[in-house]
Amino acid sequence: DVVMTQSPLSLPVTLGQPASISCKSSQSLVHSDGNTYLNWFQQRPGQSPRRLIYKVSNRDSGVPDRFSGSGSGTDFTLKISRVEAEDVGVYYCMQGSDWPPWTFGQGTNIEIK
Amino acid sequence: EVQLLESGGGLVQPGGSLRLSCVVSGFTFSRYDMSWVRQAPGRGLEWVSYISGSGDNTYYADSVKGRFTVSRDNSKNTLYLQMDSLRAEDTAIYYCLNADWFDPWGQGTLVTVSS
Repeated sequence: DVVMTQSPLSLPVTLGQPASISCKSSQSLVHSDGNTYLNWFQQRPGQSPRRLIYKVSNRDSGVPDRFSGSGSGTDFTLKISRVEAEDVGVYYCMQGSDWPPWTFGQGTNIEIK
Repeated sequence: EVQLLESGGGLVQPGGSLRLSCVVSGFTFSRYDMSWVRQAPGRGLEWVSYISGSGDNTYYADSVKGRFTVSRDNSKNTLYLQMDSLRAEDTAIYYCLNADWFDPWGQGTLVTVSS
């Protein structure tokens, strides 16, 4: 099984400052079709998760452009250029390149300092 | 607009059974593989099961293998999860998802296993 490891698990951030979350996989996520199926999800307090980024760097419709995804192989990053209050919540990476099982990172809790 | 509406959760005693349903709209259900994902209280996300569009192929997490059964009725745009021999550690919100997109997420249905 592919193990997804996120860091940090907790990230206090000042409003307006950048934030960065790392996600590392235990093996390369490059699929035989050439794509890398790495998603990022946001879960605000009391809400269901929401997909933010798919295939490493593609933002979903309605996702602010302050969110960006990057990386390749086994190392991936979600960046928020300037954190806003509505960004508070838990962020998960998930791989869909080598399944079953689909596997998630442990989650990173972003809070405002 | 894609919508997924989960139902069937509730309180059940250890060793009991529940059947979850998920009614889907907004895409051609039969063409897509589907998954169930769960989230225990205060915990992270865990993939539970998968079923192909035709229903011919299924996969399960090791934690539920032999106890849960996923199925679908493409004529009713409905996904099911039959959960037997339930344990306290199965307590979670259960979400159904398009397995190609993992988006959008519905509200989920809460399963509580407790005596």
